[in-house]
Amino acid sequence: AQSVTQLGSHVSVSEGALVLLRCNYSSSVPPYLFWYVQYPNQGLQLLLKYTSAATLVKGINGFEAEFKKSETSFHLTKPSAHMSDAAEYFCAVSDLGGGFKTIFGAGTRLFVKA
Amino acid sequence: DGGITQSPKYLFRKEGQNVTLSCEQNLNHDAMYWYRQDPGQGLRLIYYSQIVNDFQKGDIAEGYSVSREKKESFPLTVTSAQKNPTAFYLCASRTGGYSNQPQHFGDGTRLSIL
Repeated sequence: AQSVTQLGSHVSVSEGALVLLRCNYSSSVPPYLFWYVQYPNQGLQLLLKYTSAATLVKGINGFEAEFKKSETSFHLTKPSAHMSDAAEYFCAVSDLGGGFKTIFGAGTRLFVKA
Repeated sequence: DGGITQSPKYLFRKEGQNVTLSCEQNLNHDAMYWYRQDPGQGLRLIYYSQIVNDFQKGDIAEGYSVSREKKESFPLTVTSAQKNPTAFYLCASRTGGYSNQPQHFGDGTRLSIL
């Protein structure tokens, strides 16, 4: 069965610092992985997706994520945080074994300090 | 522009009342989904539909009902049987029921009890 674990419900960084949001997944078949961002009182927007092409995936707003099969991880990074990055971030997984039903992590709220 | 429209943005329910949340998409997507979002719990799947006139229960379907009479529309009714309906409700759609593509989200409806 698929599952997603996001380590840390809250992460706080200073403006200009590295952003690292952690995601580990469980899947018995090759997974498809996604990161979404949610701003207050809005829906989720896709940041990036991994669908078995390059293991380093670049997304919007300077974010990227690296798929590491050996570690079953798909951590999200951004070299330099901006105030506008403050939001909630969700990691998600889907795979053929689960009928492509998407399973979402519990989310990580990112705070950016001036 | 194509997208998903949820209405109303805010909704209040009285005791014993059924309320219906609207979700319309013009993306020509086959699959549509309803999620419930509570703080710290991520997204939980209520119902999903992969084609017109067909839908399946998700993980927390009790107290909810849906219909899918048109490809564009997937309304959710929160019935009086749902004893704790206060939450943020998100509608999503995706091209193809069995697909590795990401979901597209509406901006949500926030439901509260009067």
